[in-house]
Amino acid sequence: DTGVSQNPRHKITKRGQNVTFRCDPISEHNRLYWYRQTLGQGPEFLTYFQNEAQLEKSRLLSDRFSAERPKGSFSTLEIQRTEQGDSAMYLCASVGIGTEAFFGQGTRLTVV
Amino acid sequence: QKEVEQDPGPLSVPEGAIVSLNCTYSNSAFQYFMWYRQYSRKGPELLMYTYSSGNKEDGRFTAQVDKSSKYISLFIRDSQPSDSATYLCALGGSTLGRLYFGRGTQLTVWP
Repeated sequence: DTGVSQNPRHKITKRGQNVTFRCDPISEHNRLYWYRQTLGQGPEFLTYFQNEAQLEKSRLLSDRFSAERPKGSFSTLEIQRTEQGDSAMYLCASVGIGTEAFFGQGTRLTVV
Repeated sequence: QKEVEQDPGPLSVPEGAIVSLNCTYSNSAFQYFMWYRQYSRKGPELLMYTYSSGNKEDGRFTAQVDKSSKYISLFIRDSQPSDSATYLCALGGSTLGRLYFGRGTQLTVWP
């Protein structure tokens, strides 16, 4: 499969726990984006990387959120001290030179 | 006011109907206009994108962009039950990745 891969697909966690999601983009794509989608809403931008550099962060990305993309390959999104309001679908998208954004299947987070 | 407005529906039509979906936006700096389809609990998949005003056709799908009115549309001809999904408009400025989405319109096509 040469598409964007996200793991895990589903995560249930207790409030206050830390969670980490992983995104493997399409191999030749140099840009990687994280979005969050809540029920009944469109995806909202969180942050983006060009290669290993994190170039933009949304105000939605509170101090409890951190993202990395070591070596410009896969990316991780960590949420510390999860809250019920963090429950959402977390989507990753990769973009190559002159290509559109290809989205992964998302990680659905439920905080109980 | 959100940057992109989209009526969430739901929209329910019989098989074979012509479906019209639309979005309005406020920022004239948007240059890329896209439509994504999203099935339940799946990621969005790109249907069509345009860079300028005018029409673009791909099979049963036609995308229209009117920059002067800040209005974009997606038409689906001869709709099929397999078209049942949420349709998201997405607009981009200088890049194809940093997108501003509408909230999506939920479409059901019944046989």
